[in-house]
Amino acid sequence: TQLLEQSPQFLSIQEGENLTVYCNSSSVFSSLQWYRQEPGEGPVLLVTVVTGGEVKKLKRLTFQFGDARKDSSLHITAAQPGDTGLYLCAGVRSNYQLIWGAGTKLIIKP
Amino acid sequence: GAGVSQTPSNKVTEKGKYVELRCDPISGHTALYWYRQSLGQGPEFLIYFQGTGAADDSGLPNDRFFAVRPEGSVSTLKIQRTERGDSAVYLCASSWGVGELFFGEGSRLTVL
Repeated sequence: TQLLEQSPQFLSIQEGENLTVYCNSSSVFSSLQWYRQEPGEGPVLLVTVVTGGEVKKLKRLTFQFGDARKDSSLHITAAQPGDTGLYLCAGVRSNYQLIWGAGTKLIIKP
Repeated sequence: GAGVSQTPSNKVTEKGKYVELRCDPISGHTALYWYRQSLGQGPEFLIYFQGTGAADDSGLPNDRFFAVRPEGSVSTLKIQRTERGDSAVYLCASSWGVGELFFGEGSRLTVL
């Protein structure tokens, strides 16, 4: 049973378009992390959001943590082919326990 | 090394065989994690070491799976009597305390 639901599972868009990926749960997390994973590699941490309502920006990526700390979103502005990859969210349940979503496979076509 | 190193990168074995997967964490990292990732899924927690001891092994699916970290550095994940359902990418990660996790590239296990 996936405690963190990510949507969409797959997204293919043209370069320059905007997109949003969602991560939803019925559980409350102390914090939530977003990772990016490329084929043949392990996930790499992009950001950790901690406070309900928190918004963090990483260049063209904007991450938001829901007020109730149950959901999060990742918005990419003017997507580029280099943004292609698998985006994973992970809820932090304790000091070490991560609960992972299934991921959103993103393809940006030039 | 500079990053988490996992060997082998690929392992093909026959059903019923024994397999060992090795993880060499970032030097100085006290915590080490094993995850399993199936195609189209996020990582699934297997076991967490703090130092030499397994602080949480609740994610190991059954008693065919076992992991050790005898000197608090390198860890070995051992799978006995492999089954086709064990096929997956096995990811290792390490961290300093409970800080950011750094993942290796994974060991892809295929059980025929």
